[in-house]
Amino acid sequence: LAKTTQPISMDSYEGQEVNITCSHNNIATNDYITWYQQFPSQGPRFIIQGYKTKVTNEVASLFIPADRKSSTLSLPRVSLSDTAVYYCLVGPDTGRRALTFGSGTRLQVQP
Amino acid sequence: NAGVMQNPRHLVRRRGQEARLRCSPMKGHSHVYWYRQLPEEGLKFMVYLQKENIIDESGMPKERFSAEFPKEGPSILRIQQVVRGDSAAYFCASSRLAESSYEQYFGPGTRLTVT
Repeated sequence: LAKTTQPISMDSYEGQEVNITCSHNNIATNDYITWYQQFPSQGPRFIIQGYKTKVTNEVASLFIPADRKSSTLSLPRVSLSDTAVYYCLVGPDTGRRALTFGSGTRLQVQP
Repeated sequence: NAGVMQNPRHLVRRRGQEARLRCSPMKGHSHVYWYRQLPEEGLKFMVYLQKENIIDESGMPKERFSAEFPKEGPSILRIQQVVRGDSAAYFCASSRLAESSYEQYFGPGTRLTVT
């Protein structure tokens, strides 16, 4: 599985756009990029998944450059309720189903 | 459609006792996964089961831990002779066969405290 690197923590204010970048230099051809969100005392929640270019859903956007060695999760206009830990996962879409979570990025949104 | 259910939500056990954690997957989901999260750490995969089969237990400690997913009823994670180091949050997740292996639905977790 590709190793991922993301910032340990980020701070933001309500209403701002937050971009969290994940580095995955040794991503394989059949690897997808997936982001999860975890609130305190809760299980992780799937946010978004992508392979290349841009993916957008009602929660976030995921930007993946052509070389796929990094990806950026973009949260538009964050609110206090977006305070959570965000995990970047990289791996094949099929096959071994064990998710490998790193330390994640702890996002703190201030009023 | 109810989400993944886990019970109990909190469990306190004395050293040496047994802990049984239960997980009911989402309706229609036949794949169950157990993860453990130690305080201030990320989640670590433990085991992946389908009905009546253990598919991948590469993350399970070799001793005292076992898991099952019977034909009927919830999946059970069993920890025998608990020690203080077993204190953690244990999360169960489920998925359908046809979905991406990276899209799993997590339960609220069981917080085990060993005194």
